[in-house]
Parts: sequence; C-alpha cells; structure tokens
Amino acid sequence: GIQVEQSPPDLILQEGANSTLRCNFSDSVNNLQWFHQNPWGQLINLFYIPSGTKQNGRLSATTVATERYSLLYISSSQTTDSGVYFCAVDPTTGNQFYFGTGTSLTVIP
Amino acid sequence: ETGVTQTPRHLVMGMTNKKSLKCEQHLGHNAMYWYKQSAKKPLELMFVYNFKEQTENNSVPSRFSPECPNSSHLFLHLHTLQPEDSALYLCASSQMGGGATDTQYFGPGTRLTVL
Repeated sequence: GIQVEQSPPDLILQEGANSTLRCNFSDSVNNLQWFHQNPWGQLINLFYIPSGTKQNGRLSATTVATERYSLLYISSSQTTDSGVYFCAVDPTTGNQFYFGTGTSLTVIP
Repeated sequence: ETGVTQTPRHLVMGMTNKKSLKCEQHLGHNAMYWYKQSAKKPLELMFVYNFKEQTENNSVPSRFSPECPNSSHLFLHLHTLQPEDSALYLCASSQMGGGATDTQYFGPGTRLTVL
C-alpha cells in the first residue's frame, strides 16, 4: 500500500514561534487531509487539500501533488496548538484513507 | 466536533467479557468507519460501511464484529479480546466512502483497556 511519512516526529516550540510540518506520500492521491488530535484523543479536521494552498487563520497548508508532499504551516503558535498532527491520503488506486505516523507538537509558554 | 458521538468514552474489560462500542453520526453521511489507534502507531482502518453495506475489512480478527443497522449508527461488538487490543477506537463518517471530495469527521473515541 501507499506509504505516508511525516516529519519531524516530535517538535517543541516556544509560544509565538512558527513551524512547518511535512507529509510525504509514495503514490498519487485523490484526497489529502490534515487533522489535529488534541490531548483527549479527538481528531479535528483542519484541511481538505488534495492540491494547492489553503489558509485558515494562523494555519495554512500546501500540497504539491506532482511531487507527492504536503506542508502544514503554523504561525504564532499557541499552547492550544499542542497535540498530534496527522496527514491522511486516499490513493487514486484505492478507496480508503492511509494515515501517517503523525507529528507530536508541544508548545510551551 | 459534535457531529459524531461515541459511547462509552472509556471501557475496561476482561478477556472473557462481551461488550459493544457505539457510534452515531448526525451529519447525514452515508459512510462510516472504525479505526484503531495504538500507542506510537498510525491510525489503522478496520472496517468501512457504505450505505449500510460493509465495503472494507482490513484483515481484522473475528473477535471484532461490526454492525451497521442504518447509515447513522455503527457498532463494534467485542468478545474474547486480548490485552494487545487495548487502544483508542475511533469512529468516523463521511458523505460517501472515499473519493476526491470526501472528508472524514471523527468521533471522540473510546479508550479501551483489556485486562
């Protein structure tokens, strides 16, 4: 099946700092989503972004489908941004989502 | 998000017990999913239902038995589980079962501990 790799695996930031999370995938995809899992386990949809760039407040995401990667930008980070960020892809050859291993983000005050 | 609810939120059970997890979606979606999340591992898809029909079963052991009586409800029946089955079980729903424009919405999960 498709491989989905995220980097870095762990990230510690000072409040107010910016960061970039990366998701690489090994095959063509129809669909790509970014999720934030809060410390209580709840997964929240951040972006549906199979290609192009989207912005939502302090978060933005870019997917370059031809080069098989996606980036999630977090600006002016806050302690509430802490948690695990997952990307998930739906390959063109399949019909289900494959999740990456996640980036665990800790924002310290 | 409150569109997908799961009960119970926490469950502790012995290996000989039988229990069920419940998921309900209030979004009018047609597809529902069960995922397993173990520590330090990516989410693993277990089952997919589209319009109440099971369309995916990712080699899940028979001690996990799903049931989808209608498009809004999904159950996961558990029996004779093993300690390694302890994990967070997440339910999700989407408008349709995958595809270019489908977006999944997740419930809060059930934290399962098998003693």
